Amino acid sequence: NAGVTQTPKFQVLKTGQSMTLQCAQDMNHEYMSWYRQDPGMGLRLIHYSVGAGITDQGEVPNGYNVSRSTTEDFPLRLLSAAPSQTSVYFCASSLSGLGPGPFFGPGTRLTVL
Amino acid sequence: GENVEQHPSTLSVQEGDSAVIKCTYSDSASNYFPWYKQELGKGPQLIIDIRSNVGEKKDQRIAVTLNKTAKHFSLHITETQPEDSAVYFCAAKGWRGLTGGGNKLTFGTGTQLKVEL
Repeated sequence: NAGVTQTPKFQVLKTGQSMTLQCAQDMNHEYMSWYRQDPGMGLRLIHYSVGAGITDQGEVPNGYNVSRSTTEDFPLRLLSAAPSQTSVYFCASSLSGLGPGPFFGPGTRLTVL
Repeated sequence: GENVEQHPSTLSVQEGDSAVIKCTYSDSASNYFPWYKQELGKGPQLIIDIRSNVGEKKDQRIAVTLNKTAKHFSLHITETQPEDSAVYFCAAKGWRGLTGGGNKLTFGTGTQLKVEL
């Protein structure tokens, strides 16, 4: 199993541009989520999904959009990038909401100029 | 909502010594407590976890203890090695109902562990 994979590893955007961060898992996990990690702020939940077709907001959802059309994929869309969205983004998955996990991907480092 | 506090923020130990990282949580509904290790430039890696019906769990050189009454849990690393140097995060999760955030995981702010030769 490849586990949780994320692309790209690095990305630089200009303010106002849009882009999609890709996330896929091959463990047949129902739960998937997106976190952002900022210095001194720890890991904060952006959006999550408890199964295909079901998504919900996390702690910091503004400026981001998600969809879950398949069990494997959970892309994160930045609608109009802002410098405040400069961060490291992690996708994670778990079999259920009761643990173990979630298990994290390697991350995408995003810089918005 | 849940609040997880983690201490210390930095910890420096000599190789071979033990390291202890402590976390407290606020929501008595939390019943699952994972610990993650994050090396520079990588994603957090689940290293050990404990559920609320267990007081202690051990896996080779790492162990986790849980005190439900006091709402705190700790990570213990024995015989530390240079490769243990990383940032460690604690987290707490429990069912908080459909309007309370479901099974969301709340993280501590991390401990930078440095193992010196």
